[in-house]
This record gives sequence, C-alpha cells and structure tokens, in this order.
Amino acid sequence: AQSVTQLDSHVSVSEGTPVLLRCNYSSSYSPSLFWYVQHPNKGLQLLLKYTSAATLVKGINGFEAEFKKSETSFHLTKPSAHMSDAAEYFCVVRFFGNEKLTFGTGTRLTIIP
Amino acid sequence: EADIYQTPRYLVIGTGKKITLECSQTMGHDKMYWYQQDPGMELHLIHYSYGVNSTEKGDLSSESTVSRIRTEHFPLTLESARPSHTSQYLCASSARDRGPRYQDTIYFGEGSWLTVV
Repeated sequence: AQSVTQLDSHVSVSEGTPVLLRCNYSSSYSPSLFWYVQHPNKGLQLLLKYTSAATLVKGINGFEAEFKKSETSFHLTKPSAHMSDAAEYFCVVRFFGNEKLTFGTGTRLTIIP
Repeated sequence: EADIYQTPRYLVIGTGKKITLECSQTMGHDKMYWYQQDPGMELHLIHYSYGVNSTEKGDLSSESTVSRIRTEHFPLTLESARPSHTSQYLCASSARDRGPRYQDTIYFGEGSWLTVV
C-alpha cells in the first residue's frame, strides 16, 4: 500500500531554534515528495519538492528537506524558526504511475516567542 | 507563486440553495483539481480534470459536480446545499514540469470557505 505518515500532529519550538517536521512514506515505486504550508484561512503554498535530481532539496523561507531512501523519509528542517513560520505543514507524495496526490494528516507548527 | 483564483472566499448560504464555486487559472495548465478539507483534517480529492471536456470523480464521494468547458475555468456546483457540505474547498492546477508527470507540481488557490445553515 502507498501511504504517507507525518509523525507529529503538533510541534512547538522557540523562536530562533531549529525546526524538524517528520514525514515517512511507504511505496514500492519511485515517489515525488512535496512539502506544502498552509497559514490560517489560506490555501496551500509549495515549500519544496523532491524529484530524484538531488536528495537535499532547498525550498523557500529557509526550509530544506532531505530524501533518505533507506529510511523512506523526507523530513523538513529549518535552522532557525521565525514567528511567521507558525502554520500547518503537509507532507505530500505522488507515486510513479499514479498522478493523484496523497496527503499526510498535517503537522501544526507553533512558535514560542 | 501560481495564479489560481477562487471566488467566493467565504460564503454562508441556506439549506437547499444552489451554489457554484468558481476557480480560474491563467497559466494554461491542463490539469485541475478540487479538494475538500474540513477544519483540522486532511485534504481529500473530490474532482479532477485532465483538460477541456474531461472530468473525473476523486477519492472522496461528493454530491457536487464540476465542468471544464474552458482550459482556465473549473467551477464546482452544489445543486442543493446541506449543512454536511460545510467545509473548505480548495482548487488546484498542475504545471507540466520537465520529467515524468507524477513529478509535476500542483499549485493551490486560497480556498473557498462554505457554510450551509
């Protein structure tokens, strides 16, 4: 079965400290992996995507994610959290041969001043 | 960011009313999608289209209908709204990037919040 799991429903960090949002997928096929961010009452904005060109992907707003095939993971990181990073983050996967997106359940990131 | 627009952004209507949620994109994307998202919940695909005159139902059963008469326009219609239709509806379109289609990026509009009373 093809699926994506976000391991934490809620993450809280202090402003200026690192952020780690975890995502694992399961699939027998090559995945494309995306991270989207959703601010309150807004649509989803693409942060970054992995398409097999490079395992470390840099996105907008200082975020990056590393694809680790051996761990079937695509965790999202940022060295220093900013108040504006508070939002809901979705790990999204699409598999070879199936164009539909599969969404994780989301991780709510709270930034403590 | 992609240019994809949804109207209305917020709507409160009475039970039994007909409602159309508009979605337009100006990038010439061939694929368009409608997702439904309840507050705090994951997104579910309810409709998608591969191009003009193409519409398909998604993974989540929905009483809504869609049409694709023009490339840039993908409206969603509820013939008779019910309180169970209260939700956020997100429209999206897919760019044709280099490489296989499963690597194409999907861009989302800002969403339409529908409340049926």
